[in-house]
Amino acid sequence: DAGVIQSPRHEVTEMGQEVTLRCKPISGHDYLFWYRQTMMRGLELLIYFNNNVPIDDSGMPEDRFSAKMPNASFSTLKIQPSEPRDSAVYFCASSLQRNTEAFFGQGTRLTVV
Amino acid sequence: TQLLEQSPQFLSIQEGENLTVYCNSSSVFSSLQWYRQEPGEGPVLLVTVVTGGEVKKLKRLTFQFGDARKDSSLHITAAQPGDTGLYLCAGASGYALNFGKGTSLLVTP
Repeated sequence: DAGVIQSPRHEVTEMGQEVTLRCKPISGHDYLFWYRQTMMRGLELLIYFNNNVPIDDSGMPEDRFSAKMPNASFSTLKIQPSEPRDSAVYFCASSLQRNTEAFFGQGTRLTVV
Repeated sequence: TQLLEQSPQFLSIQEGENLTVYCNSSSVFSSLQWYRQEPGEGPVLLVTVVTGGEVKKLKRLTFQFGDARKDSSLHITAAQPGDTGLYLCAGASGYALNFGKGTSLLVTP
């Protein structure tokens, strides 16, 4: 398996634009997580899914953020409209079962100017 | 969200030195994981500790879980430049992992 695949690796966008981040989890993993990493706040959990169903989105900072998982092999994190304070590295991770090893993608570095 | 405090935040040492980094919380965790993250990459799991008082060794790395399952430490013996990276602890509670901010380690030759 190629591991967790995220795209794009880098995204630069202007304030107010819509941004969509994509993730392909490891096949067979039941859990998918979206995290955001900044120097100030570290690695923050935004939302996670179990069997494609959103379980906890309490970490999503604002209504501008939304996430979907239409099937077991694909998830998106959308920010609309984007703001400069959204600049961060966004990671997708998947795990086989709850609280087992989380496998991370390489992340998407988002810069909003 | 249970908070995990890691210390020190930054550590710069020379090759061959020993070091210990800490992960503390006021909450009890069913298990605790340690990850290492290199620049431009996602975190990679090093070890999982489950039982209070448990000690696990991974070559020159020794991990300990506190008796009360609220804290953990990572000790590196004879650090090498390849140990450079961000060390993150993550507590399992509920269905997801909550991460500390990490200890950024730099080992110079």
